[in-house]
Amino acid sequence: ILNVEQSPQSLHVQEGDSTNFTCSFPSSNFYALHWYRWETAKSPEALFVMTLNGDEKKKGRISATLNTKEGYSYLYIKGSQPEDSATYLCAFRNTPLVFGKGTRLSVIA
Amino acid sequence: GAVVSQHPSRVICKSGTSVKIECRSLDFQATTMFWYRQFPKQSLMLMATSNEGSKATYEQGVEKDKFLINHASLTLSTLTVTSAHPEDSSFYICSASPSGGYNEQFFGPGTRLTVL
Repeated sequence: ILNVEQSPQSLHVQEGDSTNFTCSFPSSNFYALHWYRWETAKSPEALFVMTLNGDEKKKGRISATLNTKEGYSYLYIKGSQPEDSATYLCAFRNTPLVFGKGTRLSVIA
Repeated sequence: GAVVSQHPSRVICKSGTSVKIECRSLDFQATTMFWYRQFPKQSLMLMATSNEGSKATYEQGVEKDKFLINHASLTLSTLTVTSAHPEDSSFYICSASPSGGYNEQFFGPGTRLTVL
């Protein structure tokens, strides 16, 4: 059974702080890693699809890196804002997608 | 663009009844739709994959006779939980893919099912 772990489970940061969290996944048979942002009562929104070792992708203040050899990806948020409060999910591309439990971020104004 | 709706957003039903959940792609045609389930504090778990006009493919451990999936058009898939029991209470969420693969999935907002 494939295991995708996300840490921390939740965190609270002050507005303006930068933060990061981790997704760990199997390092063998890697195809792709997905990151999603999921606000309460809304649909999960795709952030990144990462495929190559060493990939770094950026979308505004959010960026992600990928290390397929050691099986982890980091998601960084620079200068957190209250609107960044959401659950961030990663999913390892297998058949099917295997999701982590998410990191719930709360940004306090 | 790429909006997926789900209806209802929340449903409470009595044990033994059947509940139908609709998943619609509003502004694109979805070759493939996926149905997921999430129990409290757990990950999203894929239940089944449906392609328009063909039978759904169910994941191991998901009873196809209990969770009926119909994907009759390129914009609509339905999940019917038949003879629901309290242990079926969960959060059900669909996603739709215009290309048929995992690379491009657009999620609905989910349906909270509570079976009394």
